[in-house]
Amino acid sequence: DQQVKQNSPSLSVQEGRISILNCDYTNSMFDYFLWYKKYPAEGPTFLISISSIKDKNEDGRFTVFLNKSAKHLSLHIVPSQPGDSAVYFCAANTGGFKTIFGAGTRLFVKA
Amino acid sequence: DAMVIQNPRYQVTQFGKPVTLSCSQTLNHNVMYWYQQKSSQAPKLLFHYYDKDFNNEADTPDNFQSRRPNTSFCFLDIRSPGLGDAAMYLCATSISNEQFFGPGTRLTVL
Repeated sequence: DQQVKQNSPSLSVQEGRISILNCDYTNSMFDYFLWYKKYPAEGPTFLISISSIKDKNEDGRFTVFLNKSAKHLSLHIVPSQPGDSAVYFCAANTGGFKTIFGAGTRLFVKA
Repeated sequence: DAMVIQNPRYQVTQFGKPVTLSCSQTLNHNVMYWYQQKSSQAPKLLFHYYDKDFNNEADTPDNFQSRRPNTSFCFLDIRSPGLGDAAMYLCATSISNEQFFGPGTRLTVL
């Protein structure tokens, strides 16, 4: 049972444009959501997060939006840069130590 | 730099031959995790430690064991690896919601 789903395995975007990565979840008990970024041969690194009491969190070029009624969150990267090319994992937890990850979306930013 | 270190980065073992993967951290985090990730799939939590308290996921096979002798080190033991256990194994630490991952150990089973 996939509680966190990233339905797009890959996304290709032109440098300077917006990248939008999407994530859906099924467990209404999730109250904290995170995005991780992974480069080849490295472990995932934390990028940005959002609590369920908010609907938006912004950090520089990265913004996460949360739509609780739709059980959907998205990561916006503006402007996209070639160095943003990586796999992005959506993750969620219920405030405990168990975090559920999505399968990831591979982002290609073309120069 | 504070970090999570995994050794070895690549491990080859034979079918049925026990193997141990290691993880160490300099972050002094009290929670440590082991994940299994197969190609194009989500990282799957195998177990985690909160200090010395061990928490096994219900669907983690008995073939997988773990040890945490101290705060800094955590080991993953696979007692009798099968071909289906070939994967990337990720170690992570945390003190809150965000987790800090090591680079992973890629296990090949021949």
